[in-house]
Amino acid sequence: AQSVTQLDSQVPVFEEAPVELRCNYSSSVSVYLFWYVQYPNQGLQLLLKYLSGSTLVKGINGFEAEFNKSQTSFHLRKPSVHISDTAEYFCAVTEGKYGGSQGNLIFGKGTKLSVKP
Amino acid sequence: NAGVTQTPKFRILKIGQSMTLQCTQDMNHNYMYWYRQDPGMGLKLIYYSVGAGITDKGEVPNGYNVSRSTTEDFPLRLELAAPSQTSVYFCASSTGTVLTFGSGTRLTVV
Repeated sequence: AQSVTQLDSQVPVFEEAPVELRCNYSSSVSVYLFWYVQYPNQGLQLLLKYLSGSTLVKGINGFEAEFNKSQTSFHLRKPSVHISDTAEYFCAVTEGKYGGSQGNLIFGKGTKLSVKP
Repeated sequence: NAGVTQTPKFRILKIGQSMTLQCTQDMNHNYMYWYRQDPGMGLKLIYYSVGAGITDKGEVPNGYNVSRSTTEDFPLRLELAAPSQTSVYFCASSTGTVLTFGSGTRLTVV
């Protein structure tokens, strides 16, 4: 069965510093990977996704993630964070391209990114 | 463009009461979902629907019911509220891969 592990529940970082939010998954088949962001008191919105092709995926707000099949990881990175990046970030995985439609999109427990001035 | 609209935004229920959480989307998406979010636990799928008239259970369906009579609406029903159902509930819709979420309903059962 597929699962997602976000290795850090909280990540504090100073403004303009780089950040990496870690995500590992387990699955016996090919997967499709997502990062969603949740700002305070809001719903989740898609940051980026990996379905196929290049393993380096670029998303909104300057974030990027790299799919590493051998390490079963999909870490999220940003070279220089802003105060406005303070939010909770969720990694998600599905074994089907239309995993959402099949109801088997599995979310990690989330990482709270706190950017300090 | 409204996207996914959830009502109410907040609600306090007493144990044993019932209520319906409303969800409407105006994007003509076939797929709709209900998740619950508990602190430190991520999102858990309650129910989902692949089209009008078709629903299926997710990971945590006990204590909930859904219906999908139209493409636009996907209400979630709690029949006998319990403290364990205190949570934030999110509705989402999709054409396939990427989910669009509503802003959530914060429910407290006392």
